[in-house]
Amino acid sequence: DAKTTQPNSMESNEEEPVHLPCNHSTISGTDYIHWYRQLPSQGPEYVIHGLTSNVNNRMASLAIAEDRKSSTLILHRATLRDAAVYYCILRRGNTPLVFGKGTRLSVIA
Amino acid sequence: DTGVSQDPRHKITKRGQNVTFRCDPISEHNRLYWYRQTLGQGPEFLTYFQNEAQLEKSRLLSDRFSAERPKGSFSTLEIQRTEQGDSAMYLCASSTPLTQGDTGELFFGEGSRLTVL
Repeated sequence: DAKTTQPNSMESNEEEPVHLPCNHSTISGTDYIHWYRQLPSQGPEYVIHGLTSNVNNRMASLAIAEDRKSSTLILHRATLRDAAVYYCILRRGNTPLVFGKGTRLSVIA
Repeated sequence: DTGVSQDPRHKITKRGQNVTFRCDPISEHNRLYWYRQTLGQGPEFLTYFQNEAQLEKSRLLSDRFSAERPKGSFSTLEIQRTEQGDSAMYLCASSTPLTQGDTGELFFGEGSRLTVL
């Protein structure tokens, strides 16, 4: 499985934008970039995914580098409820998700 | 049907005992996954089913672990002769097959926490 690298932790102030980086230099042409997050005491939940173009949904935006070797998950206005572990995952087709350790995001009021 | 449900939510057992976890997926989902998560780590893939067929098993899944999905609906994960190293959160997820325009999103349950004394 292609590997992703994320910072262990990040901190943000409430109501400010957050940019969560992910490096995936060994990504292949058919790998989609998926982001999931895990709130405390809950199972992971889907956030967003993309292949080449930037993507927006109600939860977040995903910015993908032109060479696809890195991506950034953008939360436009962090709230206390966004405090979670965020996982960047490469997924080929319908294969099972392979999670790393993710980035623990803390949001300060 | 509001989501993936898992039972029990918590289980404490003594080393050497057998335990069984149940997962009820979202009703129209034909794919079902089992993961294990220990403190500070991301979920680790164990196995998954499409309908009743078990399509893949991780090398992490020792012979003491067995999973079934007999009618393609709910699934059970049994751990025989539990060891202290089996203490973890066991997560179940379900999804539909990936189709064009679909995210293939996995929907996770809240997990079953196992403590082996």
